[in-house]
Amino acid sequence: DVKVTQSSRYLVKRTGEKVFLECVQDMDHENMFWYRQDPGLGLRLIYFSYDVKMKEKGDIPEGYSVSREKKERFSLILESASTNQTSMYLCASRAGKGADTQYFGPGTRLTVL
Amino acid sequence: GEDVEQSLFLSVREGDSSVINCTYTDSSSTYLYWYKQEPGAGLQLLTYIFSNMDMKQDQRLTVLLNKKDKHLSLRIADTQTGDSAIYFCAESLWNNNDMRFGAGTRLTVKP
Repeated sequence: DVKVTQSSRYLVKRTGEKVFLECVQDMDHENMFWYRQDPGLGLRLIYFSYDVKMKEKGDIPEGYSVSREKKERFSLILESASTNQTSMYLCASRAGKGADTQYFGPGTRLTVL
Repeated sequence: GEDVEQSLFLSVREGDSSVINCTYTDSSSTYLYWYKQEPGAGLQLLTYIFSNMDMKQDQRLTVLLNKKDKHLSLRIADTQTGDSAIYFCAESLWNNNDMRFGAGTRLTVKP
């Protein structure tokens, strides 16, 4: 079974703090993704990576950065957390393109006070 | 980018059929997916259909694709309380790494 794990299920941070969200997959997938999920808005892509050290901006990259130093790990960084970044963050990995589906982690619910 | 649209809520009685609808606008979409998200969990793939198919059936699930109208539906037969969840429609292009998701339909099953 493909396993995608996220470092925390729940996280509470203060405005201005630097926040790291970690994601690890164990299936040697090329592609990894970070989404945020908000009620009524569905999933919005923040960043994705199609290879080590490679990254592409998604639909809402502002206020976020990412790091992919190793194939299995994809980190989302909030340089200076703000209250409008309170959300559910979902990580996913995907082997390739076409019929290959995305496999999701359980999500991290981040609250910024 | 192109949008994937779904209605936000659906409520049915246990034992009835549920039909969740989705429209997409990118005629180049090659694969269309249905995901299920249970409370507090990530998304789990239910099924997918290739764009040259009209229908796919898997036990209680039936996926219908109308490519002319860019309409995708998921029918759940004999809906159970355990089917209560958010259902996401998603599309993928053949040569793209990413996928586009709808906003999700919250299905509530009443006993």
